[in-house]
Amino acid sequence: KNQVEQSPQSLIILEGKNCTLQCNYTVSPFSNLRWYKQDTGRGPVSLTIMTFSENTKSNGRYTATLDADTKQSSLHITASQLSDSASYICVVSSFSGGYNKLIFGAGTRLAVHP
Amino acid sequence: NAGVMQNPRHLVRRRGQEARLRCSPMKGHSHVYWYRQLPEEGLKFMVYLQKENIIDESGMPKERFSAEFPKEGPSILRIQQVVRGDSAAYFCASSQEDTQYFGPGTRLTVL
Repeated sequence: KNQVEQSPQSLIILEGKNCTLQCNYTVSPFSNLRWYKQDTGRGPVSLTIMTFSENTKSNGRYTATLDADTKQSSLHITASQLSDSASYICVVSSFSGGYNKLIFGAGTRLAVHP
Repeated sequence: NAGVMQNPRHLVRRRGQEARLRCSPMKGHSHVYWYRQLPEEGLKFMVYLQKENIIDESGMPKERFSAEFPKEGPSILRIQQVVRGDSAAYFCASSQEDTQYFGPGTRLTVL
């Protein structure tokens, strides 16, 4: 069964600190992996996308890694800001039925406190 | 270029009523996807449509739920005879190729 699991479920950090979110997946066939940010009451917004051959991708203070052998990914946030408070969702894309189907993790709820 | 639009943003229905959720894709996008998000859970795929065609409805309950994406106008997700368990956030996404862009969602509350 295709699954995406994220940890921790929730996280509280102080403004300015770094943090790392984890994602493990069992999805086959694998097309790509994305990290999304979802603010409360809004739809998810893509932060990074990585294919099988890529093992790191940065977008400003966000850096994602991918280990396709162990089927693990991480999202590292540097120098956190209050506006980083959101849910971060790991999404794996699998080509099935003629198109790329998205499988979502449950997300990590991050709260950045002043 | 306006993003994906959904309306209404909030919808309250009593048990047994019908709920109609609308999604206008981004300009130029011909693929629409509907997802449901229950509290504390991840988004779950419901249905994938292209203009006038349902491509994959494997995630949509067989009864009471239907979706359409007509040649003209928005995509509609219709839930008949709603029950309390239908209370959730329903997100629509659109794409032209691979990348899906999400709307802000419709929060359905069934009393």
